[in-house]
Amino acid sequence: GENVEQHPSTLSVQEGDSAVIKCTYSDSASNYFPWYKQELGKRPQLIIDIRSNVGEKKDQRIAVTLNKTAKHFSLHITETQPEDSAVYFCAASPDTGRRALTFGSGTRLQVQP
Amino acid sequence: GAGVSQSPSNKVTEKGKDVELRCDPISGHTALYWYRQSLGQGLEFLIYFQGNSAPDKSGLPSDRFSAERTGGSVSTLTIQRTQQEDSAVYLCASSLEGRQPQHFGDGTRLSIL
Repeated sequence: GENVEQHPSTLSVQEGDSAVIKCTYSDSASNYFPWYKQELGKRPQLIIDIRSNVGEKKDQRIAVTLNKTAKHFSLHITETQPEDSAVYFCAASPDTGRRALTFGSGTRLQVQP
Repeated sequence: GAGVSQSPSNKVTEKGKDVELRCDPISGHTALYWYRQSLGQGLEFLIYFQGNSAPDKSGLPSDRFSAERTGGSVSTLTIQRTQQEDSAVYLCASSLEGRQPQHFGDGTRLSIL
């Protein structure tokens, strides 16, 4: 089955700096890669996703890059703000058949004002 | 409703009791997923329903866990003879048939005394 590794487990940055979180996956059949943000006690919320026919996707301060050959993808947050502080999860799934997500173990991002 | 609804939001029960957790997906979403999130951990897939197809139960950790989905909408996750290791947040997600992304509910926080 799929295995998703995520690092770092914790990340502390100064407000305004960039943050990068990296994930690797094992199953070449995976071709859908979402990122979820989870604030304490809240539901995971999708912030950006990418499919394997695209190498990069941006949405304002957030971007995701995907390297299918190397089986890794990354989340980039620029101009970080204190409200970006949360736990971020990457995930992977195939786009056909069982589409259950396999999640990474999460990165706790702390943005220091 | 506007989003995935789960009930109860919190459940405290004694070891050995049975519990039922409910999920009401987004209207029109035919795919429904259950995940479990233990304290400080990532999300672990439990079971997947898609339309009238047989559910994918491959993530259920033991035969004490079962789930139903009646009428293609509301789902109930049942845990029999609860154990302390069942303590976790149980999250439900739904999506349109054959598509991502998945949208999560707020979860049920289950505590086994």
